[in-house]
Amino acid sequence: AQKITQTQPGMFVQEKEAVTLDCTYDTSDPSYGLFWYKQPSSGEMIFLIYQGSYDQQNATEGRYSLNFQKARKSANLVISASQLGDSAMYFCAMRERGETSGSRLTFGEGTQLTVNP
Amino acid sequence: DVKVTQSSRYLVKRTGEKVFLECVQDMDHENMFWYRQDPGLGLRLIYFSYDVKMKEKGDIPEGYSVSREKKERFSLILESASTNQTSMYLCATQIRRQPQHFGDGTRLSIL
Repeated sequence: AQKITQTQPGMFVQEKEAVTLDCTYDTSDPSYGLFWYKQPSSGEMIFLIYQGSYDQQNATEGRYSLNFQKARKSANLVISASQLGDSAMYFCAMRERGETSGSRLTFGEGTQLTVNP
Repeated sequence: DVKVTQSSRYLVKRTGEKVFLECVQDMDHENMFWYRQDPGLGLRLIYFSYDVKMKEKGDIPEGYSVSREKKERFSLILESASTNQTSMYLCATQIRRQPQHFGDGTRLSIL
């Protein structure tokens, strides 16, 4: 079964508007972590934000926030006030506590975000 | 800042060749990972290592092997390259429960 699903292959947003990138996950482990990474066209993966399964509040990092809905098993990334430099591929990933040492991540398929001027 | 260096940004090899992809980190991270990235499939874990000389298979280890003789270096080996191994390869490192840090990736083409 797919553990991480990103249903939006591509998204478009106007500069200065907010955008939500969807991510749903599937796990039976009560302790897990969710990550979002950004990959510009140059290829490097940039860590954006983290949410732990026991965190009471939604994570925020500057213009990035994570809309964590545990019962729905969703962890959507919200980017406020989009900038042209936000155009990139965005990946959602999950780490489960039950994994052997190494803290491996499972990634979604990615969403290509394009910010229009 | 953590620096993860992959030996090549672009690499072209021929079918049947033995290919080495190198990854070096400048921090004392115990965990290192190799992923491949293909359009529509996201990143898939090939192998990872949580200590020197230790390795574990990821989701798609077939056709690959790894070597970790020193803590800072994790090598991915394509024993006999095939065209279906044309892909983007990403190395990552990690310590304890921190986020993984990635290298810039190697775009490998097998002709």
